[in-house]
Amino acid sequence: KNEVEQSPQNLTAQEGEFITINCSYSVGISALHWLQQHPGGGIVSLFMLSSGKKKHGRLIATINIQEKHSSLHITASHPRDSAVYICAVLEYGNKLVFGAGTILRVKS
Amino acid sequence: DAGVTQSPTHLIKTRGQHVTLRCSPISGHKSVSWYQQVLGQGPQFIFQYYEKEERGRGNFPDRFSARQFPNYSSELNVNALLLGDSALYLCASSLALGSTYGYTFGSGTRLTVV
Repeated sequence: KNEVEQSPQNLTAQEGEFITINCSYSVGISALHWLQQHPGGGIVSLFMLSSGKKKHGRLIATINIQEKHSSLHITASHPRDSAVYICAVLEYGNKLVFGAGTILRVKS
Repeated sequence: DAGVTQSPTHLIKTRGQHVTLRCSPISGHKSVSWYQQVLGQGPQFIFQYYEKEERGRGNFPDRFSARQFPNYSSELNVNALLLGDSALYLCASSLALGSTYGYTFGSGTRLTVV
């Protein structure tokens, strides 16, 4: 079993829909990152969380440390949100462990 | 202010050869980490350096090595290349170690081994 599990693996949405991507982890962590990767490979850091909830524009990230679970929400989705979304946890010892990613496609 | 820069962007090597990948962190960032991303998978941690010392190593063979220079730039070296080493190699920098500091990623070096 992977230390970081994401669901769904693939997600197709219609423009304007509310999107949720989930991340569960099995190890103790000091922080959790949500990352966005576009074709070509570049990774952009969206959020770093250690507790609670963060919001940036149409993106919201939440984390429940007790349940070892985090969610990334996208409100009013747009085709430009199409990308791979990756959850990564920072283990004690400064090692980043990544999920396999969720491929999101938003259709207009 | 420049972001994390990696060079080269693309590279084709033959099995058995050696490769050196380079990473320049954001100015002021003292920690650099390296990741391997095979097509269709999430990145895998290879190394982390802070203040020129290795502070973490992933589950990779000894063919993989790295170092960090006094200006905090870093090199990743891979010897005796195998076809399975074909991947996107990502570098990330952060101010220091610990959960307080976020990571900034470079655009990666795409290595193809033929």
